[in-house]
Amino acid sequence: EADIYQTPRYLVIGTGKKITLECSQTMGHDKMYWYQQDPGMELHLIHYSYGVNSTEKGDLSSESTVSRIRTEHFPLTLESARPSHTSQYLCASSADRGRGYTEAFFGQGTRLTVV
Amino acid sequence: DQQVKQNSPSLSVQEGRISILNCDYTNSMFDYFLWYKKYPAEGPTFLISISSIKDKNEDGRFTVFLNKSAKHLSLHIVPSQPGDSAVYFCAARSHSGTYKYIFGTGTRLKVLA
Repeated sequence: EADIYQTPRYLVIGTGKKITLECSQTMGHDKMYWYQQDPGMELHLIHYSYGVNSTEKGDLSSESTVSRIRTEHFPLTLESARPSHTSQYLCASSADRGRGYTEAFFGQGTRLTVV
Repeated sequence: DQQVKQNSPSLSVQEGRISILNCDYTNSMFDYFLWYKKYPAEGPTFLISISSIKDKNEDGRFTVFLNKSAKHLSLHIVPSQPGDSAVYFCAARSHSGTYKYIFGTGTRLKVLA
C-alpha cells in the first residue's frame, strides 16, 4: 500500500484566493511530481523534484509554484486562483536511488474548483 | 507533440473475455513502460510495468507486451471482470535525462456483466 497523501481531497474556492495543495509521502522517496488532469485528457506534468531544494517546471506551463524543503513534503501553491485552474491535481513519488526501474505512486488527488 | 498515444478512447468487453488496450510511443529513448488504472476522482493505481529489455511481463490476469521495433505496447486482461471497468493509462519513462513519467490520454474500459 502506497503511503502518499494529498489534502484536501476536494476544494471549492473563489477567484483571487491563494491556495496550497498539500502532498506528503512517508516512503522516503527522493523524486516527487505534480500532475494536472482534466477529464478525458492525459496527465500533464506541471512540476517535479529530484530531492530537497530541487524543483523543476514540467512540460505543461503552470502558474503554480512548488517547494521541497523536506524530503516527505511537496506542496503546490496558487497565489491567485482563477476558474482556468479548475482541474484535478495529482501528486506522485518514486524511489530512484540506484534501484533500477520503479513505478510512481500516486496520492488520491485534489479536485479543485475555482468559482 | 504527444510522445505517448492511446488512440482508443473507449473499449467495451463482455465479462470473461479478453480486454486488449493499446499504446504507441514516439520517443526511442523510453526504456520503461507502465500501465495504471484510474477511477474518477481518485489517483492512478499502478498495475504492471515492463522494461525495454523484455518483450512480455505477466502478473496474474494482466500481461503487458512490448514491441520495440513498432514502438507499441499492449495490456491484456484475461479474463475481464466488471471490477476492471476504469480508465487505463499507459506511461513511459527514460532513464537518460529527467526521469519524468509521460502519460497517454487513457482508454476507458467497460466490462459488461
